[in-house]
Amino acid sequence: QVQLQESGPGLVKPSETLSLTCTVSGGSVNSGSYYWSWIRQSPGKGLEWIGYIDYSGIPNYNPSLRSRVTISVDTSKNQFFLRLNSVTAADTAVYYCARDDFGGRGDAFDIWGQGTMVTVSS
Amino acid sequence: DIQMTQSPSSLSASVGDRVTITCRASQTISTFLNWYQQKPGKAPKLLIYAAFHLQSGVPPRFSGSGSGTDFTLTISSLQPEDFATYFCQQSYSIPSTFGQGTKVEIK
Repeated sequence: QVQLQESGPGLVKPSETLSLTCTVSGGSVNSGSYYWSWIRQSPGKGLEWIGYIDYSGIPNYNPSLRSRVTISVDTSKNQFFLRLNSVTAADTAVYYCARDDFGGRGDAFDIWGQGTMVTVSS
Repeated sequence: DIQMTQSPSSLSASVGDRVTITCRASQTISTFLNWYQQKPGKAPKLLIYAAFHLQSGVPPRFSGSGSGTDFTLTISSLQPEDFATYFCQQSYSIPSTFGQGTKVEIK
């Protein structure tokens, strides 16, 4: 079955760029039925949708983060990526990648990675 | 952004109890409402999509209802493995938003 796995640094310095990778196994990011999403969870802000990218590379972002976020995809590696610029302590959270089934489940997130904790601190 | 408000924030219940959690949207979202279960240290798990459709593999004691702005997740007979936090999520408009969560604890 399809599985997602996040990877990347667990510690990022303030003002620097957070970069995470999500590797998809058991399925393809080339599917036209899904969006590939990033979601984060912090005690202060709960669950927050960051954005998604489709198989053709077209992204859509949460307006609250749009000025700082980039999501991209590499179909040859079956991976998609998150970059968040100019991070502060408020960006400390568990970051999840997830599959958004817009084709069959009305944009529900049906598969999630295990999550990766990212701390912003000097 | 559409605000999602869950109630209660937490509840205590016993095995076998019927449990109901509500979620209210700040504007109408038709049936674009999904429910998730999250256990400590784990990712959320999809339970119900499009308000009332049971995700494959989820026990039928879970059910969802509602449309417009008011939605309900019901657990008909609480089992030990159901003690967790539950979240609703609207997928009607971008940005997708989540409720703050309802923690179901053992009485």
